[in-house]
Amino acid sequence: DQQVKQNSPSLSVQEGRISILNCDYTNSMFDYFLWYKKYPAEGPTFLISISSIKDKNEDGRFTVFLNKSAKHLSLHIVPSQPGDSAVYFCAASDGGTYKYIFGTGTRLKVLA
Amino acid sequence: GAGVSQSPSNKVTEKGKDVELRCDPISGHTALYWYRQSLGQGLEFLIYFQGNSAPDKSGLPSDRFSAERTGGSVSTLTIQRTQQEDSAVYLCASTRDNEQFFGPGTRLTVL
Repeated sequence: DQQVKQNSPSLSVQEGRISILNCDYTNSMFDYFLWYKKYPAEGPTFLISISSIKDKNEDGRFTVFLNKSAKHLSLHIVPSQPGDSAVYFCAASDGGTYKYIFGTGTRLKVLA
Repeated sequence: GAGVSQSPSNKVTEKGKDVELRCDPISGHTALYWYRQSLGQGLEFLIYFQGNSAPDKSGLPSDRFSAERTGGSVSTLTIQRTQQEDSAVYLCASTRDNEQFFGPGTRLTVL
C-alpha cells in the first residue's frame, strides 16, 4: 500500500512559468514532509521541508504548501528554469519514528 | 566537500552470485539508511542503522539481504545468491537532524 503517492509521473513546463508538483499521503500520523530533487546518476538532494504545524514554507523560488485536511502537499517552483529539470520526490515521516516514506517521483522537464 | 560516498558505482553480476555494496556516510552522522530504487519505482526503505545497531530491518526483501555497520561509520549491504529482480539502484543516506544526505548510489544489474 503506497502511503505517499505522486500521481503524475511527468510534467513539462515552459521556462519562466510555474511548476506545480503534487503529492498525496494516506497516513495521518505523518507530520514532517520533504521534497528531494534527483538528477540522473546522482543521489537525491534535499530541497525543502515543512512540518505539520505550518501550511507553507518558502525558500527562494521554491514553496511547499501543506493541506493537512486533504492530506496533500505541493511544491511550487517559480519561475521555472531549465536547470530545474530533474525527478522530484516527496517524502513523509512520522516524527516519532525515523522512517521516511518516499513517493515514486515526478519527472519535471522545463523547456527553454 | 565530504559527502556520502558509495562503491562501486556500477555492478554487473550473474544470477546466483553474491554482491557487497559499500556506503561511507558523512563523518559524525549517527543514522544511516539503505534504500532501493527499482525502475519506475520510488525509494524503497531497506534498513536503518543508529550507530552500529539496526533497530529496523523490516524493509529487507528477503533473508538473502543483510547489512552491517562497523565503527558507527562504514556500512555494507550484502545480497546473497542474487536474482534478476534485485537489479536496482541501491542508495545510502546519512542523516543530520531531519535531513537525509544521499550518496550517488550503486547501480546493480543481475544478468
